[in-house]
Amino acid sequence: DVQLVESGGGLIQPGGSLRLSCAASGFTFDTYEMNWVRQAPGKGLEWVSHISRTGNFIYYADSVKGRFTVSRDNAKNSLVLQLNSLRAEDTAVYYCAKSSFDWLFLFDHWGQGTPVIVSS
Amino acid sequence: LVLTQSPGTLSLSPGERVTLSCRASQSVSNNFLAWYQQKPGQAPRLIMYGASSRATGIPDRFSGSGSGTDFTLTISRLEPEDFAVYFCQQYDSSRPNTSPPTFGGGTKVEIK
Repeated sequence: DVQLVESGGGLIQPGGSLRLSCAASGFTFDTYEMNWVRQAPGKGLEWVSHISRTGNFIYYADSVKGRFTVSRDNAKNSLVLQLNSLRAEDTAVYYCAKSSFDWLFLFDHWGQGTPVIVSS
Repeated sequence: LVLTQSPGTLSLSPGERVTLSCRASQSVSNNFLAWYQQKPGQAPRLIMYGASSRATGIPDRFSGSGSGTDFTLTISRLEPEDFAVYFCQQYDSSRPNTSPPTFGGGTKVEIK
Protein backbone atom coordinates (compact mmCIF):
# COMPACT_ATOMS: atom_id res chain seq x y z
CA ASP A 1 0.00 0.00 0.00
CA VAL A 2 1.10 3.55 -0.70
CA GLN A 3 2.25 5.33 2.43
CA LEU A 4 3.29 8.96 2.77
CA VAL A 5 4.45 10.12 6.19
CA GLU A 6 5.20 13.78 6.80
CA SER A 7 7.32 15.16 9.61
CA GLY A 8 9.08 18.34 10.65
CA GLY A 9 6.18 20.62 11.46
CA GLY A 10 5.93 22.69 14.61
CA LEU A 11 5.65 26.14 16.17
CA ILE A 12 7.93 28.73 14.62
CA GLN A 13 8.25 32.50 14.95
CA PRO A 14 7.53 34.79 12.01
CA GLY A 15 10.60 35.10 9.80
CA GLY A 16 11.84 31.68 10.85
CA SER A 17 12.58 28.55 8.85
CA LEU A 18 11.37 24.98 8.94
CA ARG A 19 12.17 21.82 6.98
CA LEU A 20 9.36 19.41 6.24
CA SER A 21 9.99 15.84 5.11
CA CYS A 22 7.82 13.19 3.52
CA ALA A 23 8.85 9.53 3.64
CA ALA A 24 7.31 7.50 0.83
CA SER A 25 6.80 3.75 0.61
CA GLY A 26 4.66 1.19 -1.16
CA PHE A 27 5.34 2.46 -4.67
CA THR A 28 8.25 3.17 -7.00
CA PHE A 29 9.02 6.68 -5.80
CA ASP A 30 11.18 7.80 -8.71
CA THR A 31 8.38 6.99 -11.15
CA TYR A 32 5.97 9.59 -9.79
CA GLU A 33 5.80 13.35 -9.57
CA MET A 34 5.14 14.72 -6.09
CA ASN A 35 3.46 17.74 -4.49
CA TRP A 36 2.87 19.68 -1.32
CA VAL A 37 -0.64 20.93 -0.52
CA ARG A 38 -1.60 22.89 2.57
CA GLN A 39 -4.76 23.61 4.50
CA ALA A 40 -5.09 26.55 6.87
CA PRO A 41 -7.14 25.91 10.03
CA GLY A 42 -10.80 25.54 9.13
CA LYS A 43 -10.11 26.48 5.52
CA GLY A 44 -9.86 24.89 2.12
CA LEU A 45 -6.97 23.32 0.26
CA GLU A 46 -4.14 25.23 -1.42
CA TRP A 47 -1.59 23.63 -3.72
CA VAL A 48 1.92 24.75 -2.73
CA SER A 49 4.55 23.07 -4.87
CA HIS A 50 5.23 20.36 -7.44
CA ILE A 51 8.39 18.49 -8.37
CA SER A 52 8.95 16.21 -11.33
CA ARG A 53 10.32 12.68 -11.12
CA THR A 54 13.94 13.76 -11.50
CA GLY A 55 13.56 17.21 -9.97
CA ASN A 56 14.14 18.94 -13.30
CA PHE A 57 10.76 20.68 -13.29
CA ILE A 58 9.56 22.51 -10.21
CA TYR A 59 6.53 24.76 -9.74
CA TYR A 60 5.37 26.91 -6.84
CA ALA A 61 2.24 28.79 -5.88
CA ASP A 62 2.74 32.55 -6.12
CA SER A 63 2.10 32.81 -2.37
CA VAL A 64 5.28 30.87 -1.54
CA LYS A 65 7.53 31.58 -4.53
CA GLY A 66 10.97 32.77 -3.43
CA ARG A 67 10.45 31.56 0.15
CA PHE A 68 9.83 27.81 -0.14
CA THR A 69 12.05 25.23 -1.85
CA VAL A 70 11.02 21.71 -2.79
CA SER A 71 13.47 18.87 -3.39
CA ARG A 72 13.54 15.09 -3.48
CA ASP A 73 15.99 12.29 -2.87
CA ASN A 74 14.96 9.30 -4.95
CA ALA A 75 17.59 7.09 -3.35
CA LYS A 76 15.94 7.67 0.02
CA ASN A 77 12.32 7.82 -1.23
CA SER A 78 12.08 11.22 0.38
CA LEU A 79 10.43 14.56 -0.44
CA VAL A 80 11.44 17.78 1.32
CA LEU A 81 9.95 21.25 1.58
CA GLN A 82 12.19 23.98 2.99
CA LEU A 83 10.13 26.85 4.38
CA ASN A 84 11.94 30.20 4.86
CA SER A 85 10.78 33.69 5.82
CA LEU A 86 7.65 32.24 7.36
CA ARG A 87 4.57 34.39 7.84
CA ALA A 88 1.46 34.00 9.97
CA GLU A 89 -0.52 33.19 6.83
CA ASP A 90 1.68 30.13 6.26
CA THR A 91 0.07 28.49 9.29
CA ALA A 92 -1.51 25.28 7.98
CA VAL A 93 -1.36 21.53 7.86
CA TYR A 94 1.06 20.59 5.10
CA TYR A 95 0.28 17.46 3.12
CA CYS A 96 2.58 15.48 0.89
CA ALA A 97 0.58 14.30 -2.13
CA LYS A 98 1.51 11.87 -4.88
CA SER A 99 0.61 12.73 -8.45
CA SER A 100 -1.28 10.16 -10.47
CA PHE A 101 0.74 8.53 -13.24
CA ASP A 102 -0.99 10.40 -16.05
CA TRP A 103 -1.72 13.84 -14.60
CA LEU A 104 0.73 16.06 -12.76
CA PHE A 105 -1.79 17.80 -10.53
CA LEU A 106 -4.20 14.96 -9.80
CA PHE A 107 -3.41 13.80 -6.28
CA ASP A 108 -4.22 10.13 -5.82
CA HIS A 109 -2.59 9.56 -2.42
CA TRP A 110 -2.02 11.90 0.49
CA GLY A 111 -0.10 11.74 3.75
CA GLN A 112 -1.71 12.56 7.07
CA GLY A 113 -0.07 15.97 7.16
CA THR A 114 2.24 17.87 9.48
CA PRO A 115 1.10 21.10 11.19
CA VAL A 116 3.03 24.33 10.89
CA ILE A 117 2.13 27.17 13.25
CA VAL A 118 3.74 30.54 12.65
CA SER A 119 3.29 32.71 15.70
CA SER A 120 5.27 34.87 18.09
CA LEU B 1 -9.32 29.64 -12.52
CA VAL B 2 -11.64 30.02 -9.53
CA LEU B 3 -13.90 27.18 -8.44
CA THR B 4 -17.03 28.01 -6.47
CA GLN B 5 -18.83 25.27 -4.60
CA SER B 6 -22.40 25.42 -3.40
CA PRO B 7 -23.99 25.14 -1.02
CA GLY B 8 -21.51 25.63 1.80
CA THR B 9 -23.27 23.13 4.04
CA LEU B 10 -25.94 20.50 3.50
CA SER B 11 -27.85 18.88 6.36
CA LEU B 12 -29.20 15.52 5.29
CA SER B 13 -30.24 12.14 6.61
CA PRO B 14 -28.75 8.75 5.75
CA GLY B 15 -30.42 7.29 2.69
CA GLU B 16 -31.04 10.65 1.04
CA ARG B 17 -29.72 11.66 -2.35
CA VAL B 18 -27.35 14.60 -2.51
CA THR B 19 -26.03 16.71 -5.36
CA LEU B 20 -23.05 19.01 -4.90
CA SER B 21 -22.19 21.80 -7.30
CA CYS B 22 -18.86 23.13 -8.51
CA ARG B 23 -18.77 26.08 -10.89
CA ALA B 24 -15.62 27.30 -12.64
CA SER B 25 -14.82 30.89 -13.57
CA GLN B 26 -13.71 29.66 -16.99
CA SER B 27 -13.98 26.42 -18.89
CA VAL B 28 -12.07 23.51 -17.37
CA SER B 29 -9.85 22.05 -20.06
CA ASN B 30 -10.60 18.45 -21.04
CA ASN B 31 -12.88 18.11 -18.01
CA PHE B 32 -9.81 17.92 -15.76
CA LEU B 33 -12.07 18.19 -12.72
CA ALA B 34 -11.66 16.04 -9.61
CA TRP B 35 -13.53 15.60 -6.34
CA TYR B 36 -12.00 14.80 -2.95
CA GLN B 37 -13.63 13.71 0.28
CA GLN B 38 -12.21 14.83 3.62
CA LYS B 39 -13.32 13.61 7.03
CA PRO B 40 -12.40 15.44 10.26
CA GLY B 41 -8.76 14.99 11.18
CA GLN B 42 -8.02 13.05 7.99
CA ALA B 43 -6.28 13.77 4.73
CA PRO B 44 -8.35 14.32 1.59
CA ARG B 45 -9.18 11.24 -0.47
CA LEU B 46 -9.57 11.25 -4.25
CA ILE B 47 -13.04 10.02 -5.21
CA MET B 48 -13.63 11.27 -8.76
CA TYR B 49 -11.51 12.46 -11.68
CA GLY B 50 -12.10 13.45 -15.28
CA ALA B 51 -15.41 14.81 -14.00
CA SER B 52 -17.09 11.39 -14.09
CA SER B 53 -14.56 8.61 -13.44
CA ARG B 54 -14.55 7.02 -10.01
CA ALA B 55 -11.21 6.55 -8.31
CA THR B 56 -10.10 3.11 -7.20
CA GLY B 57 -12.30 1.62 -4.50
CA ILE B 58 -15.02 4.27 -4.64
CA PRO B 59 -18.53 2.76 -4.50
CA ASP B 60 -20.91 3.29 -7.38
CA ARG B 61 -23.32 5.37 -5.30
CA PHE B 62 -20.91 8.19 -6.15
CA SER B 63 -21.24 9.69 -9.61
CA GLY B 64 -19.92 12.78 -11.30
CA SER B 65 -21.08 14.78 -14.27
CA GLY B 66 -20.65 18.06 -16.06
CA SER B 67 -18.42 19.81 -18.52
CA GLY B 68 -17.12 23.27 -19.30
CA THR B 69 -17.84 25.37 -16.23
CA ASP B 70 -20.52 23.39 -14.38
CA PHE B 71 -19.89 20.13 -12.58
CA THR B 72 -21.78 18.03 -10.05
CA LEU B 73 -21.05 15.22 -7.65
CA THR B 74 -24.01 13.05 -6.74
CA ILE B 75 -24.30 10.53 -3.95
CA SER B 76 -27.34 8.43 -4.74
CA ARG B 77 -27.99 7.23 -1.20
CA LEU B 78 -26.03 8.65 1.71
CA GLU B 79 -24.29 6.18 3.95
CA PRO B 80 -23.07 7.14 7.45
CA GLU B 81 -19.46 7.17 6.23
CA ASP B 82 -20.27 9.71 3.49
CA PHE B 83 -20.75 12.60 5.89
CA ALA B 84 -17.70 14.72 5.20
CA VAL B 85 -16.43 17.78 3.36
CA TYR B 86 -16.16 17.53 -0.42
CA PHE B 87 -13.75 19.62 -2.48
CA CYS B 88 -13.61 20.00 -6.23
CA GLN B 89 -10.29 20.67 -7.97
CA GLN B 90 -9.18 21.48 -11.49
CA TYR B 91 -5.93 19.77 -12.48
CA ASP B 92 -5.11 21.09 -15.92
CA SER B 93 -1.29 21.14 -16.17
CA SER B 94 -0.89 22.72 -19.59
CA ARG B 95 0.24 26.04 -18.06
CA PRO B 96 1.57 25.24 -14.60
CA ASN B 97 3.28 28.59 -14.09
CA THR B 98 0.32 30.77 -15.01
CA SER B 99 -2.60 28.48 -14.21
CA PRO B 100 -1.80 26.32 -11.19
CA PRO B 101 -4.17 23.70 -9.80
CA THR B 102 -6.97 25.16 -7.71
CA PHE B 103 -9.57 23.86 -5.28
CA GLY B 104 -13.09 24.93 -4.51
CA GLY B 105 -13.97 26.11 -1.02
CA GLY B 106 -15.70 22.85 -0.13
CA THR B 107 -19.21 21.66 0.72
CA LYS B 108 -19.84 20.10 4.10
CA VAL B 109 -22.38 17.29 4.13
CA GLU B 110 -23.56 16.91 7.71
CA ILE B 111 -26.03 14.67 9.45
CA LYS B 112 -29.42 16.27 9.96
